[in-house]
Amino acid sequence: GENVEQHPSTLSVQEGDSAVIKCTYSDSASNYFPWYKQELGKRPQLIIDIRSNVGEKKDQRIAVTLNKTAKHFSLHITETQPEDSAVYFCAATSGAGNMLTFGGGTRLMVKP
Amino acid sequence: DSGVTQTPKHLITATGQRVTLRCSPRSGDLSVYWYQQSLDQGLQFLIHYYNGEERAKGNILERFSAQQFPDLHSELNLSSLELGDSALYFCASSVGTTTNEKLFFGSGTQLSVL
Repeated sequence: GENVEQHPSTLSVQEGDSAVIKCTYSDSASNYFPWYKQELGKRPQLIIDIRSNVGEKKDQRIAVTLNKTAKHFSLHITETQPEDSAVYFCAATSGAGNMLTFGGGTRLMVKP
Repeated sequence: DSGVTQTPKHLITATGQRVTLRCSPRSGDLSVYWYQQSLDQGLQFLIHYYNGEERAKGNILERFSAQQFPDLHSELNLSSLELGDSALYFCASSVGTTTNEKLFFGSGTQLSVL
């Protein structure tokens, strides 16, 4: 089955700096890659996603890049703010499209 | 509020017992997914149902079972509980049959096995 690796597991940045989280996946047939944000004690929520026919997608301070050849994708957050502090999960859908596998998560801490 | 309802919010039980977790998907969603999140762990996929039929199974223990009923709500049954089953169990739903779309998560059921 699909295996998704995520790095780093924790990331601490100063407010205003950028943060980058990287993920790799194993199933070359995967074609959908979402990112979820989970604040402390809350449910995961989708923040951005990218499909395999696109190399990059941006939504205000958040961007995601995808390299299908290398089977890796990344989340970029610019001008970080304290409210960006949360656990971020990358995910990849299986080639059959019936299973969404999550990475291990990255705990992002933005220091004021 | 995601529109996905999970009950109960908290469940405390003893080893060897059996519990049932319930999930009502968003109105119109036909797919239901179950995930397990242990302390400081990621989201482990358990099982996916679409319109009453099992679509995919992840690393779900044989002691665990699930089903989706005609009204589309789903139940996750956990039996012969062990200490290691203590976790936050999330249910999520989506409209279609595939995972190539946004999942809406419920607020989870926190299970504590003592």
